[in-house]
Order: sequence, then structure tokens, then C-alpha cells
Amino acid sequence: DGGITQSPKYLFRKEGQNVTLSCEQNLNHDAMYWYRQDPGQGLRLIYYSQIVNDFQKGDIAEGYSVSREKKESFPLTVTSAQKNPTAFYLCASSIRAGHQYFGPGTRLLVL
Amino acid sequence: DQQVKQNSPSLSVQEGRISILNCDYTNSMFDYFLWYKKYPAEGPTFLISISSIKDKNEDGRFTVFLNKSAKHLSLHIVPSQPGDSAVYFCAASGETSGSRLTFGEGTQLTVNP
Repeated sequence: DGGITQSPKYLFRKEGQNVTLSCEQNLNHDAMYWYRQDPGQGLRLIYYSQIVNDFQKGDIAEGYSVSREKKESFPLTVTSAQKNPTAFYLCASSIRAGHQYFGPGTRLLVL
Repeated sequence: DQQVKQNSPSLSVQEGRISILNCDYTNSMFDYFLWYKKYPAEGPTFLISISSIKDKNEDGRFTVFLNKSAKHLSLHIVPSQPGDSAVYFCAASGETSGSRLTFGEGTQLTVNP
């Protein structure tokens, strides 16, 4: 059955370490997105990609990087430059403009 | 600059009564609005949407109203059920923003039995 998967569910990062969050979709959607949610706050857009091999910065891209080599996959790397990485990370996809379908999320914690 | 605002962080209602969640926006280029529901530690799920050419859209117990002149939308849930307890986010998009959505901060709805 179709959907969006994110892995892992929980991820721990050590100081100075880069970590990569996985996002895969089999909905054949062109567009994919990464959001961050902090307690008591809304969803803030980190990066998005409207087509393979192309992506744009969102509102809080500093300290993050992405790639979009395949339509189905949009991994997010949280680099050591991201000073406050502890958050709940959500991946989404959509058919161009329209409502977005979200994955179950990955919680990133810093050791 | 918060272009989509949900001014009530929380709302508590009795089971069977109406829940009204509000959302304001500032960007006049927004022309498509959505409501999402989110449980803790899960991804948001789409509830209902409305295009700017309409002022009301209804789906079962959920109705969204859009007042373009006031740049205000609201979500009505009637009757409210305990399972409706969740965080509700409104979101908006427009031609100039492409496929990206701008989200409000969310409102925690609690429906008491």
C-alpha cells in the first residue's frame, strides 16, 4: 500500500556528528518537503523539492542539507553546523500544489 | 513574519458541542487553505481544504469557513467527539509560493467526555 516512510523513528546525535534522516514515498509524487516541529510551535519548512535533481531552501535551511537523486527519496542531513537539532522532523510529499501527505516523523535527540 | 497565525494555543469543549478553531493570514496572495490534525509523535493528517473561490466547504462533521475580506478562516467540528482531541494546524498556499505550505502554530483541542 502507498505511503511515506521515515526512518529511524528515534535518532541520537553526538556533538560534531552529521546524521541523515531517511524519507521514502511510493505515491509517485513530484514534490517532497522537510519540516521541523519544536514543542508548542508549528511546522517550519527546512527544504523542499518540486522535481528530481532540484531543491530549494525553506525558512530554516541553515545547518541542513538535502539531495533528490530519485523521485521516491529525499534524505535530510543534519550537519554539525545545526546548533539546536533536537526536534521532531517530518517529511511530506504532494502532487505539485495541493495537500501534502506526511510521514510518521523522526525524533532527533542530542547526546 | 508570521503569515499564518492561530492565536489560541488551546481550546477545551464538551463532547457533543461545537468546536471552533480560528486562523488568520496576512498574505493576500494565499488562495488555498487547509486544515490538518496531528496526534503526538505522529505526522499530521489532512482534514479539509478550501479554495479562495468558495466561502464554505463541508465534509461530514467538519466545515471550513473562509472570510477573504477579513483574511480569516475557521474550522467547525460538530458534534465534537473525544477522538477529535489533537493539535489542529491551518496552512495556506498561493500561486507565488508554488507547492509550499505556510503553517500556523497550531491549536490543541481537548474534547471532554
